[in-house]
Amino acid sequence: SQTIHQWPATLVQPVGSPLSLECTVEGTSNPNLYWYRQAAGRGLQLLFYSVGIGQISSEVPQNLSASRPQDRQFILSSKKLLLSDSGFYLCALGGGAGANVLTFGAGSRLTVL
Amino acid sequence: AQSVSQHNHHVILSEAASLELGCNYSYGGTVNLFWYVQYPGQHLQLLLKYFSGDPLVKGIKGFEAEFIKSKFSFNLRKPSVQWSDTAEYFCAVRASGGSYIPTFGRGTSLIVHP
Repeated sequence: SQTIHQWPATLVQPVGSPLSLECTVEGTSNPNLYWYRQAAGRGLQLLFYSVGIGQISSEVPQNLSASRPQDRQFILSSKKLLLSDSGFYLCALGGGAGANVLTFGAGSRLTVL
Repeated sequence: AQSVSQHNHHVILSEAASLELGCNYSYGGTVNLFWYVQYPGQHLQLLLKYFSGDPLVKGIKGFEAEFIKSKFSFNLRKPSVQWSDTAEYFCAVRASGGSYIPTFGRGTSLIVHP
């Protein structure tokens, strides 16, 4: 079965510091991968998605970036965090062509102070 | 691009009450529709989905949803809620045949009192 691992689960960082959140998946190959941010009362905001290694599409202009160095690895980064980057970050995978259901990871909660 | 509107942001019910959570979307073409649920401390997970066929779909734990194309709606229902249904519920829509990017609503927080 498909599983998603996200780490760290919780992170507290000062403003201006860098960020790296990792997501790895198992039980599938060539998945579509997604980064969402969940903020209270604002639902799920799609940040990035990737259909393959090195292929990243950005949905929202911001100081975050994403990379996909391997088929089953998706990384969310920032060079300098802002207070507004605080939130709950979810990695998700879709099964590829024709597979519409997303499987979500447990999430990473980021607090920027 | 598609968009999703969930009208009820916070719902509080007593056990055994009936539930209906509204979801409307805006997209002129064929869509796939979803409800996801996030129980406290758990992963976001699929509750039910509609791709085609019978517009009344049944999901886990006694939930169902009805796709009404003329109203662009996909409301979630349960005839009798339980305390364990306390969770956040998200409606999502994806344009069929398009990119594999579902758009989510803002979510509805449901609290069920025992």
